Amino acid sequence: QGQLVQSGAEVRKPGASVRVSCKASGYPFSSYYVHWLRQAPGQGLEWLGIIHPGTGDTTYAQNFQGRVSMTRDESTTTVYMDLSSLTSDDTAVYFCARDHYSNYVFGYWGQGTLVTVSS
Amino acid sequence: QSVLTQPPSASGTPGQRVTISCSGSSSTVGSNTVNWYRQLPGTAPQLLMYKNDLRPSGVPDRFSGSKSGTSASLAISGLQSEDEADYYCASWDNTLNRPVFGGGTKLTVL
Repeated sequence: QGQLVQSGAEVRKPGASVRVSCKASGYPFSSYYVHWLRQAPGQGLEWLGIIHPGTGDTTYAQNFQGRVSMTRDESTTTVYMDLSSLTSDDTAVYFCARDHYSNYVFGYWGQGTLVTVSS
Repeated sequence: QSVLTQPPSASGTPGQRVTISCSGSSSTVGSNTVNWYRQLPGTAPQLLMYKNDLRPSGVPDRFSGSKSGTSASLAISGLQSEDEADYYCASWDNTLNRPVFGGGTKLTVL
């Protein structure tokens, strides 16, 4: 039915960039949109954007326009999320998630990647 | 500040029925379907309910969802200790043009 496995925790200084990967397996990679969401410590969920692994088409949340980039590598069935100009407010667990049952129904999730931004 | 409003906490004793509310607006819950997620500490959220009242395979029928106007609810009957978790509602926002979430409700089984 599908599995998403994310890269490990990262620590960055303010102003730096970070890349988080999400390797998909167990389903047709090109057939399902992949989303990126995040959850700051003790907070709720926030949607960053979406990528179609087959075409590479992306849509980003307005809050992150210009700072986020989502790409994919079909040969390794991996989706990447790059976030730049990091501040302490970007400290969060970042999740990739896949549609299931319908668009924007997040039925499969990666395990999460903690990104800590600290000087 | 979350776009959808949930009570921060809820509680019940084993076997009881509890309800978690999710309040939105005409541009969110009022015109779009609602999904619910459950999150155990330190883990990723899991889909619990989609399109207001549909259960994914594997979710027991103790869980039910409903929507009326600009509000939605998740009901859990026959409460069990393993139901202790954070619960989040989600919907689409026609104004922000993106999915939005509630702030989450921490369910405690007393």
